[in-house]
Amino acid sequence: DTAVSQTPKYLVTQMGNDKSIKCEQNLGHDTMYWYKQDSKKFLKIMFSYNNKELIINETVPNRFSPKSPDKAHLNLHINSLELGDSAVYFCASSALGTVYEQYFGPGTRLTVT
Amino acid sequence: GNSVTQMEGPVTLSEEAFLTINCTYTATGYPSLFWYVQYPGEGLQLLLKATKADDKGSNKGFEATYRKETTSFHLEKGSVQVSDSAVYFCALREGAAGNKLTFGGGTRVLVKP
Repeated sequence: DTAVSQTPKYLVTQMGNDKSIKCEQNLGHDTMYWYKQDSKKFLKIMFSYNNKELIINETVPNRFSPKSPDKAHLNLHINSLELGDSAVYFCASSALGTVYEQYFGPGTRLTVT
Repeated sequence: GNSVTQMEGPVTLSEEAFLTINCTYTATGYPSLFWYVQYPGEGLQLLLKATKADDKGSNKGFEATYRKETTSFHLEKGSVQVSDSAVYFCALREGAAGNKLTFGGGTRVLVKP
């Protein structure tokens, strides 16, 4: 059973397009996250949702809009894609608490041409 | 703000060599500390964790000790295998940060037979 799944795995698109990445977790976790990993492997949190409520919003351009229809899903929509958006995007989830582990999805490699 | 600094890679070793990856942190409170591992083409997986000073986390032959006095959490393994080739991330989490993880820049380890 896949714990945290993302679709698509690869996404190639042109500048200016709008695209979405979907994430689902079947772990019963309360909290979900989006991370961006750049070409140098640097990993930075973008958003965090707890029970469909936004709790972390780092300084991410407002072209990025997360949407959580229920606590098992956190989708990422990106408007007007730019070259600098090319990266690997990871979804993760955790149970809300003190030291609970975050479980990561396999990642979506986004290439903007 | 919080930050995590890791030694830059790549680290190239022969099989059965001793591995150390240095990690130091800056935090305002008393964070929990983690090591995550990312195998090629996969998402991050929790390798080990420590929640308070002098705790030692261990898993799969890897160990790291939470040293508050030196604000460090160095990762060690006594005898590496080719299958340990991966990118290793040190991370911290503060309780008041909504489960937010702050990652170091990652250290690529390549183990040659």
